[in-house]
Amino acid sequence: KAGVTQTPRYLIKTRGQQVTLSCSPISGHRSVSWYQQTPGQGLQFLFEYFSETQRNKGNFPGRFSGRQFSNSRSEMNVSTLELGDSALYLCASSSPGQNTDTQYFGPGTRLTVL
Amino acid sequence: GESVGLHLPTLSVQEGDNSIINCAYSNSASDYFIWYKQESGKGPQFIIDIRSNMDKRQGQRVTVLLNKTVKHLSLQIAATQPGDSAVYFCASPDRGNYQLIWGAGTKLIIKP
Repeated sequence: KAGVTQTPRYLIKTRGQQVTLSCSPISGHRSVSWYQQTPGQGLQFLFEYFSETQRNKGNFPGRFSGRQFSNSRSEMNVSTLELGDSALYLCASSSPGQNTDTQYFGPGTRLTVL
Repeated sequence: GESVGLHLPTLSVQEGDNSIINCAYSNSASDYFIWYKQESGKGPQFIIDIRSNMDKRQGQRVTVLLNKTVKHLSLQIAATQPGDSAVYFCASPDRGNYQLIWGAGTKLIIKP
Protein backbone atom coordinates (compact mmCIF):
# COMPACT_ATOMS: atom_id res chain seq x y z
CA LYS A 1 0.00 0.00 0.00
CA ALA A 2 1.44 3.37 -0.98
CA GLY A 3 2.27 5.77 1.82
CA VAL A 4 1.28 9.37 2.27
CA THR A 5 2.55 11.53 -0.54
CA GLN A 6 3.08 15.27 -0.54
CA THR A 7 3.77 17.62 -3.38
CA PRO A 8 5.82 19.54 -4.01
CA ARG A 9 8.72 18.44 -1.83
CA TYR A 10 10.42 21.84 -1.95
CA LEU A 11 9.16 25.34 -2.56
CA ILE A 12 10.78 28.74 -2.59
CA LYS A 13 8.51 31.75 -2.44
CA THR A 14 8.84 35.43 -1.66
CA ARG A 15 7.02 37.43 0.97
CA GLY A 16 3.49 38.33 0.04
CA GLN A 17 2.98 35.41 -2.30
CA GLN A 18 0.65 32.52 -1.66
CA VAL A 19 1.29 28.81 -1.80
CA THR A 20 -0.75 25.63 -2.09
CA LEU A 21 0.50 22.31 -0.79
CA SER A 22 -1.01 18.97 -1.63
CA CYS A 23 -1.35 15.73 0.29
CA SER A 24 -2.59 12.32 -0.81
CA PRO A 25 -3.37 10.06 2.14
CA ILE A 26 -2.93 6.32 2.36
CA SER A 27 -5.65 4.58 0.41
CA GLY A 28 -8.71 4.15 2.61
CA HIS A 29 -7.66 6.73 5.16
CA ARG A 30 -10.25 9.46 5.57
CA SER A 31 -8.63 11.65 8.18
CA VAL A 32 -5.89 14.05 7.12
CA SER A 33 -3.99 16.30 9.50
CA TRP A 34 -1.52 19.06 8.75
CA TYR A 35 1.40 20.21 10.89
CA GLN A 36 4.01 22.91 10.72
CA GLN A 37 7.49 22.12 11.93
CA THR A 38 10.15 24.79 12.28
CA PRO A 39 13.86 24.06 12.96
CA GLY A 40 14.38 22.72 16.43
CA GLN A 41 10.66 22.78 17.17
CA GLY A 42 8.08 20.13 17.58
CA LEU A 43 5.03 19.69 15.46
CA GLN A 44 2.48 22.46 15.57
CA PHE A 45 -1.02 21.34 14.66
CA LEU A 46 -2.64 23.26 11.81
CA PHE A 47 -5.92 21.45 11.08
CA GLU A 48 -7.60 18.11 10.66
CA TYR A 49 -10.09 17.00 8.04
CA PHE A 50 -12.41 14.05 7.89
CA SER A 51 -14.83 13.41 5.06
CA GLU A 52 -14.29 16.89 3.65
CA THR A 53 -15.05 18.55 6.99
CA GLN A 54 -12.59 20.45 9.10
CA ARG A 55 -13.03 19.06 12.57
CA ASN A 56 -10.37 21.05 14.34
CA LYS A 57 -8.02 23.94 13.72
CA GLY A 58 -4.85 24.90 15.53
CA ASN A 59 -3.79 28.32 16.67
CA PHE A 60 -2.70 29.76 13.36
CA PRO A 61 -3.82 32.95 11.62
CA GLY A 62 -6.50 32.95 8.97
CA ARG A 63 -3.82 33.08 6.27
CA PHE A 64 -3.57 29.34 6.76
CA SER A 65 -6.45 27.41 5.26
CA GLY A 66 -7.15 23.97 3.95
CA ARG A 67 -9.66 21.70 2.38
CA GLN A 68 -10.29 18.07 1.69
CA PHE A 69 -11.76 16.55 -1.41
CA SER A 70 -14.17 13.66 -1.78
CA ASN A 71 -11.27 11.29 -2.52
CA SER A 72 -9.69 12.33 0.82
CA ARG A 73 -6.86 14.21 -0.84
CA SER A 74 -6.17 17.46 0.94
CA GLU A 75 -4.64 20.80 0.19
CA MET A 76 -3.48 23.58 2.42
CA ASN A 77 -3.01 27.17 1.39
CA VAL A 78 -0.97 29.94 2.91
CA SER A 79 -1.65 33.44 1.69
CA THR A 80 0.42 36.59 2.07
CA LEU A 81 3.52 34.62 3.00
CA GLU A 82 5.77 35.88 5.76
CA LEU A 83 9.39 34.99 6.49
CA GLY A 84 8.26 33.13 9.58
CA ASP A 85 6.21 30.75 7.46
CA SER A 86 9.40 29.05 6.35
CA ALA A 87 9.03 25.54 7.70
CA LEU A 88 8.52 21.88 6.96
CA TYR A 89 4.82 21.24 6.40
CA LEU A 90 3.79 17.71 7.22
CA CYS A 91 0.66 15.87 6.30
CA ALA A 92 -0.53 12.76 8.10
CA SER A 93 -3.39 10.38 7.48
CA SER A 94 -5.19 8.09 9.90
CA SER A 95 -6.82 4.71 9.58
CA PRO A 96 -10.56 4.52 8.94
CA GLY A 97 -12.82 5.61 11.72
CA GLN A 98 -13.71 8.64 13.71
CA ASN A 99 -10.74 8.80 16.05
CA THR A 100 -7.29 10.14 15.43
CA ASP A 101 -5.07 7.31 16.50
CA THR A 102 -1.94 6.32 14.68
CA GLN A 103 -1.06 8.91 12.10
CA TYR A 104 1.16 8.08 9.16
CA PHE A 105 3.22 10.90 7.79
CA GLY A 106 4.35 11.99 4.39
CA PRO A 107 7.86 13.26 3.71
CA GLY A 108 6.77 16.87 4.06
CA THR A 109 7.02 19.98 1.92
CA ARG A 110 9.94 22.24 2.71
CA LEU A 111 8.79 25.84 2.23
CA THR A 112 11.32 28.64 2.16
CA VAL A 113 10.08 32.21 2.15
CA LEU A 114 12.57 34.83 1.00
CA GLY B 1 -4.23 22.05 29.51
CA GLU B 2 -3.44 18.67 28.16
CA SER B 3 0.20 18.13 27.29
CA VAL B 4 2.69 15.48 26.49
CA GLY B 5 6.29 16.36 27.14
CA LEU B 6 9.75 14.89 27.00
CA HIS B 7 12.28 15.21 29.77
CA LEU B 8 15.45 15.93 27.79
CA PRO B 9 16.01 17.73 24.54
CA THR B 10 19.19 15.77 23.69
CA LEU B 11 20.41 12.31 24.62
CA SER B 12 23.92 11.16 23.75
CA VAL B 13 24.55 7.40 23.82
CA GLN B 14 27.50 5.20 22.98
CA GLU B 15 26.96 2.93 20.01
CA GLY B 16 25.94 -0.49 21.24
CA ASP B 17 24.52 0.76 24.53
CA ASN B 18 20.84 0.91 25.34
CA SER B 19 18.96 4.19 25.02
CA ILE B 20 16.09 5.30 27.20
CA ILE B 21 13.92 8.22 26.15
CA ASN B 22 11.33 9.46 28.59
CA CYS B 23 7.99 11.16 28.23
CA ALA B 24 5.48 12.52 30.73
CA TYR B 25 1.83 13.23 30.11
CA SER B 26 -0.69 15.25 32.03
CA ASN B 27 -4.08 13.79 31.10
CA SER B 28 -4.84 10.74 33.20
CA ALA B 29 -7.59 9.87 30.72
CA SER B 30 -5.08 9.35 27.91
CA ASP B 31 -5.52 5.80 26.71
CA TYR B 32 -3.15 5.50 23.81
CA PHE B 33 0.43 6.53 23.21
CA ILE B 34 2.63 6.50 20.16
CA TRP B 35 6.35 6.88 19.63
CA TYR B 36 7.63 8.38 16.42
CA LYS B 37 11.13 8.66 14.99
CA GLN B 38 12.03 11.55 12.74
CA GLU B 39 15.24 11.48 10.78
CA SER B 40 16.68 14.65 9.35
CA GLY B 41 14.68 15.91 6.40
CA LYS B 42 11.98 13.27 6.71
CA GLY B 43 8.52 13.00 8.16
CA PRO B 44 7.94 11.25 11.51
CA GLN B 45 7.88 7.49 11.27
CA PHE B 46 5.73 5.31 13.51
CA ILE B 47 7.85 3.12 15.80
CA ILE B 48 5.59 1.56 18.38
CA ASP B 49 2.41 2.23 20.28
CA ILE B 50 0.86 1.16 23.55
CA ARG B 51 -2.64 1.26 24.98
CA SER B 52 -3.36 2.14 28.57
CA ASN B 53 -4.43 -1.41 29.43
CA MET B 54 -0.82 -2.49 28.96
CA ASP B 55 2.34 -1.77 30.95
CA LYS B 56 4.85 -2.91 28.40
CA ARG B 57 5.06 -3.58 24.71
CA GLN B 58 8.00 -4.86 22.76
CA GLY B 59 8.98 -4.48 19.15
CA GLN B 60 12.14 -5.12 17.26
CA ARG B 61 14.89 -3.70 19.50
CA VAL B 62 12.40 -1.29 21.05
CA THR B 63 10.33 -1.52 24.18
CA VAL B 64 7.80 0.95 25.48
CA LEU B 65 6.95 1.05 29.16
CA LEU B 66 3.90 2.79 30.53
CA ASN B 67 3.50 3.81 34.16
CA LYS B 68 0.01 5.16 34.57
CA THR B 69 0.50 5.86 38.26
CA VAL B 70 3.03 8.60 37.56
CA LYS B 71 1.84 9.30 34.02
CA HIS B 72 5.12 8.44 32.45
CA LEU B 73 6.23 6.39 29.49
CA SER B 74 9.60 5.51 28.12
CA LEU B 75 11.07 4.20 24.90
CA GLN B 76 13.96 1.84 25.25
CA ILE B 77 16.18 1.09 22.27
CA ALA B 78 18.46 -1.90 22.66
CA ALA B 79 21.98 -1.97 21.22
CA THR B 80 21.76 1.51 19.76
CA GLN B 81 23.03 1.82 16.21
CA PRO B 82 24.07 4.84 14.11
CA GLY B 83 20.80 4.50 12.20
CA ASP B 84 18.93 5.24 15.39
CA SER B 85 20.12 8.83 15.29
CA ALA B 86 16.98 10.91 15.05
CA VAL B 87 14.52 12.96 17.01
CA TYR B 88 12.02 10.89 18.95
CA PHE B 89 8.55 12.14 19.76
CA CYS B 90 5.88 10.75 21.99
CA ALA B 91 2.27 11.57 21.18
CA SER B 92 -1.18 10.85 22.50
CA PRO B 93 -4.57 11.47 20.87
CA ASP B 94 -6.87 14.17 22.12
CA ARG B 95 -9.95 12.46 20.79
CA GLY B 96 -12.33 15.25 21.59
CA ASN B 97 -10.35 17.60 19.40
CA TYR B 98 -9.34 15.12 16.70
CA GLN B 99 -5.63 15.72 17.09
CA LEU B 100 -2.51 14.24 18.50
CA ILE B 101 -0.82 16.01 21.37
CA TRP B 102 2.93 15.98 20.76
CA GLY B 103 5.95 16.24 22.95
CA ALA B 104 8.75 18.58 21.95
CA GLY B 105 11.07 15.75 20.92
CA THR B 106 14.34 14.25 22.13
CA LYS B 107 17.32 14.23 19.81
CA LEU B 108 19.25 10.98 20.09
CA ILE B 109 22.94 11.26 19.25
CA ILE B 110 25.02 8.13 18.79
CA LYS B 111 28.68 8.33 19.75
CA PRO B 112 30.97 5.97 17.82
